[in-house]
Amino acid sequence: GENVEQHPSTLSVQEGDSAVIKCTYSDSASNYFPWYKQELGKRPQLIIDIRSNVGEKKDQRIAVTLNKTAKHFSLHITETQPEDSAVYFCAATTSGGGADGLTFGKGTHLIIQP
Amino acid sequence: DVKVTQSSRYLVKRTGEKVFLECVQDMDHENMFWYRQDPGLGLRLIYFSYDVKMKEKGDIPEGYSVSREKKERFSLILESASTNQTSMYLCASTLPKGNYGYTFGSGTRLTVV
Repeated sequence: GENVEQHPSTLSVQEGDSAVIKCTYSDSASNYFPWYKQELGKRPQLIIDIRSNVGEKKDQRIAVTLNKTAKHFSLHITETQPEDSAVYFCAATTSGGGADGLTFGKGTHLIIQP
Repeated sequence: DVKVTQSSRYLVKRTGEKVFLECVQDMDHENMFWYRQDPGLGLRLIYFSYDVKMKEKGDIPEGYSVSREKKERFSLILESASTNQTSMYLCASTLPKGNYGYTFGSGTRLTVV
């Protein structure tokens, strides 16, 4: 089955700086790669996703890049703010949109230092 | 506007008890999922369901079963709870093609003593 590795497990950045979280996946047939944000005590929420026919996607301060050849994808957050502090999970799946389940990475705890 | 509701936020059960975790969604989603979340391990898929009375094993189904008698309700069952099943359990739902991502419930923190 699919295996997703996520790094780093903890990331501390100064407010206003950029943050990058990286994930690799094992199954070359994976075609959907979402990112979820989980604030303390709350449910995970989808923040951005990318499909295998696209190399990059942006939504305001957040962007995701995908390198299918290397089987890795990354989350980029620019101009970080205190409300960006959370645990971020990447995921991958071979089923369209995750209808058969998503394989998640182990999470990155992002800490924004004031 | 809560759309995926898990019946209990916190639950404490004894070893050997039969435990039911309930999840209800009001978005008319066909696909529903149960994950467990443990520190340092991320979210791991236990079971999922395409439709009423349909179920599929995920990555860690041992010790669990599920029931889906109605489209909106997906239950996770621990036949004989054990201490290694102490965890946060998250229910989620999505459309068949998975568009728009998953909607998660708030989670049930289960402690087995």
